[in-house]
Amino acid sequence: EDQVTQSPEALRLQEGESSSLNCSYTVSGLRGLFWYRQDPGKGPEFLFTLYSAGEEKEKERLKATLTKKESFLHITAPKPEDSATYLCAVQAGFYGGSQGNLIFGKGTKLSVKP
Amino acid sequence: SAVISQKPSRDICQRGTSLTIQCQVDSQVTMMFWYRQQPGQSLTLIATANQGSEATYESGFVIDKFPISRPNLTFSTLTVSNMSPEDSSIYLCSGTGVDNNEQFFGPGTRLTVL
Repeated sequence: EDQVTQSPEALRLQEGESSSLNCSYTVSGLRGLFWYRQDPGKGPEFLFTLYSAGEEKEKERLKATLTKKESFLHITAPKPEDSATYLCAVQAGFYGGSQGNLIFGKGTKLSVKP
Repeated sequence: SAVISQKPSRDICQRGTSLTIQCQVDSQVTMMFWYRQQPGQSLTLIATANQGSEATYESGFVIDKFPISRPNLTFSTLTVSNMSPEDSSIYLCSGTGVDNNEQFFGPGTRLTVL
């Protein structure tokens, strides 16, 4: 069964304190791994897609990496405005009748204190 | 990236009634999906909205309860039928871009059933 597990569930950081969020996955034929940011009361905001082990992508203070079993979202010198829930999702190969759908983890709620 | 809007943004409904949620994309997308996000939980796929044909539903979701239409490439509706308090949730529409595999989300519709 395709599965996505994110850890930790919640993370509190001081402003400037770098850290990493983990996304472990088991999937039959990974087509892509997605990272999203979700603010309270809003829909997920797309951050990155990673397609193969060894791939890395960066955006401002965020850097996403991918191995064959997990992905990390590294946050360098975070600011209070980085506070949000970060969601990881995988897109498997043809899955039942729903080609292209995403399987989401439960997310990591990040709080950055000034 | 596609910009996705949803209407209504929120609603409070009585048990036994139905609500139709509209999703509009500002550009053509190849695939459109409907997700549910229950309080404190991550996103769960309800169905893939297929243009001009019946939607493809995930396990646990049926057409009688969640009828979906997609008359063209940029518009879809989800109806939550015969609602009960257990249907209280955020309903999210998403679309996959024509030129890439990125999936973008609307702002969500927050539904409360009394």
